[in-house]
Amino acid sequence: QVQLQQWGAGLLKPSETLSLTCAVYGGSFSGYYWTWIRQTPGKGLEWIGEINRSGSTNYNPSLKSRVTMSVDASNNHFSLKLKSVTAADTAVYFCVRVPAVTARPCDYWGQGTLVTVSS
Amino acid sequence: DIQMTQSPSSVSASVGDRVTITCRASQDIRTWLAWYQQKPGKAPKLLIYAASHLQSGVPSRFSGSGSGTDFTLTVSNLQPEDFATYYCQQADSFPRTFGQGTKVEIK
Repeated sequence: QVQLQQWGAGLLKPSETLSLTCAVYGGSFSGYYWTWIRQTPGKGLEWIGEINRSGSTNYNPSLKSRVTMSVDASNNHFSLKLKSVTAADTAVYFCVRVPAVTARPCDYWGQGTLVTVSS
Repeated sequence: DIQMTQSPSSVSASVGDRVTITCRASQDIRTWLAWYQQKPGKAPKLLIYAASHLQSGVPSRFSGSGSGTDFTLTVSNLQPEDFATYYCQQADSFPRTFGQGTKVEIK
């Protein structure tokens, strides 16, 4: 059974860097796009970006200047860094698996991490 | 960005009812659309992909249809565990975008 387990700091001050990691258990690391999505009551679900096993990325243009994704294929981990956070980055962040198949659905999700940005 | 607009934003229904949710894309997304169900405090769960394909393990009372810009999710014979919020999402182009959600509430 595929599981995505994520972790990272849940409370940040403005201007700090958000850092989250997601470990993938029970499935292949190849053939997928490893994705981060966040959710806020106000903006709903927002796609942050994706990375594949070889490190190729696609980012949301609205966040691209602040986002870095990386992958550790040898340990089936992938990570998100978002720099210079503000209160607007307060959200629940999910790591997600997206198969490289037609229509690219998000088929497995991590448990979510609430990240709060507050001084 | 492609805008995804769901309607209604909420619907009240009873167990056994049939509920239909629509999702409209601001441009042609072929059939690159998925539907998700989310319950409070949980991650979204994939129900339908490629507009009409039922994800493994999802009950057959869930069905999806549409192509291009107009899509529907139908839940037949609504069950107590189906009261939740439903989202559509396009994967035709970057950035991927979601609808604002439709909350299915108990009447």
